[in-house]
Amino acid sequence: QSVLTQPPSASETPGQRVTIACSGSSSNIGINSVNWYQQLPGTAPKLLIYDNDQRPSGVPDRFSGSKSGTSASLAISRLQSEDEADYYCAAWDNSLNVYVFGPGTKVTVL
Amino acid sequence: QVQVVESGGGLVKPGGSLRLSCAASGFTFSDSYMSWIRQAPGKGLEWLAYISASFSSTNYVDSVKGRFTVSRDNAQNLVHLQMNSLRAEDTAVYYCARWYCSYTTCYPDFWGQGTLVTVSS
Repeated sequence: QSVLTQPPSASETPGQRVTIACSGSSSNIGINSVNWYQQLPGTAPKLLIYDNDQRPSGVPDRFSGSKSGTSASLAISRLQSEDEADYYCAAWDNSLNVYVFGPGTKVTVL
Repeated sequence: QVQVVESGGGLVKPGGSLRLSCAASGFTFSDSYMSWIRQAPGKGLEWLAYISASFSSTNYVDSVKGRFTVSRDNAQNLVHLQMNSLRAEDTAVYYCARWYCSYTTCYPDFWGQGTLVTVSS
């Protein structure tokens, strides 16, 4: 059972916006930065957002992250078919002393 | 460009051992922490461990503590994961990733393609 929670799935039509929530606690998201990973089908995870809202070089600005208190969210605007993937939030947990991942959210482009 | 390539996966019997290797390039390996993460078939991601740049520090998740050992060879730009007393639930794709630390946070940034470990009799 993950210490971070995410909805198992999200879907939207092309061109629309989808938001994925990630909920944690005071020992992880509440005190540490949140990172997001994208895993396209059959591939390795890729860093999508780091330090709550920063995009690595090459990540389109359609992807944005935010954090408030013990929750974070990833927004994908102008949704495209190639955005169909699993998305994971993650953060360091000071109580467990490990890096924890959320269970992942499968995004489907309708 | 940054590259991380895992090797050494395969089929092993329960109770057996396996050593994974990870070759890194495109960044100053000897200054970088490295980490291992795994993903069971059809499941989510589980962070396993990291090793500091200078060998002085390692950290493991409880599920592998005492069974798995991370080591590194800075001369060869390699990091290893020695896995002992393997169980069926260790079956997963194992990813190696650079463990990047900024002033405010640490996280795996560049990941390899993964290597599959299957524990079965």
